[in-house]
Amino acid sequence: DIVMTQSPDSLAVSLGETATINCKSSQSVLYSSNNKDYLAWYQQKPGQPPKLLIYWASTRESGVPDRFSGSGSGTDFTLTISSLRAEDVAVYYCQQYYSPPHTFGQGTKLEIK
Amino acid sequence: QLQLQESGPGLVKPSETLSLTCTVSGGSISSSNYYWAWVRQPPGKGLEWIGSVSHSGSTYYNPSLKSRVAISVDASKGQFSLKLNSVTAADTSIYYCASSNPRRGGLVDQWGQGTLVTVSA
Repeated sequence: DIVMTQSPDSLAVSLGETATINCKSSQSVLYSSNNKDYLAWYQQKPGQPPKLLIYWASTRESGVPDRFSGSGSGTDFTLTISSLRAEDVAVYYCQQYYSPPHTFGQGTKLEIK
Repeated sequence: QLQLQESGPGLVKPSETLSLTCTVSGGSISSSNYYWAWVRQPPGKGLEWIGSVSHSGSTYYNPSLKSRVAISVDASKGQFSLKLNSVTAADTSIYYCASSNPRRGGLVDQWGQGTLVTVSA
């Protein structure tokens, strides 16, 4: 199985500032035949299912604000949330869908400082 | 817009079989545009991908559960199901049904609201 490791486990950021969450996979999730990274980011608020934010490591899902951006390739990835708003408080997960089982990171809890 | 809704018992006894159904609306369960998946989340913990089934019936299971799990589709009812046998307290979780998009690499992009299943005598 591909192990996904996120850092930090939690962070507190002031409103209007930038939050950065990292995700590392135990092996590359870059598929050489199409040059795409099979890496997604989800946001989960209390009592709700996860919501897809980013796929192919850097493509924003329709309707997701451009404050959310993804970067990285191979084994190292970053989710950046700029101009932090109170509504961004949530747990964020990365997931690889390169090979089954499609494993998730342990989650990063984002709070307001 | 695809909608998914889980249903099934909220309480299952240890050693018995957990059975859940997901009803799909807003799209055809037989469409090649979708794979169907189950993901679970122990209360207060992270997400675990259980497995998925394609429109052709091909299944992919998490090896950690493979000996106990089965996912199937009932196209006549517009539903897919999860069966997990020999459950223990460790299987207590919120169970989500979800759709994944083969054109986006099998990415899970739509989720049901989830249903809590507690394993207890």
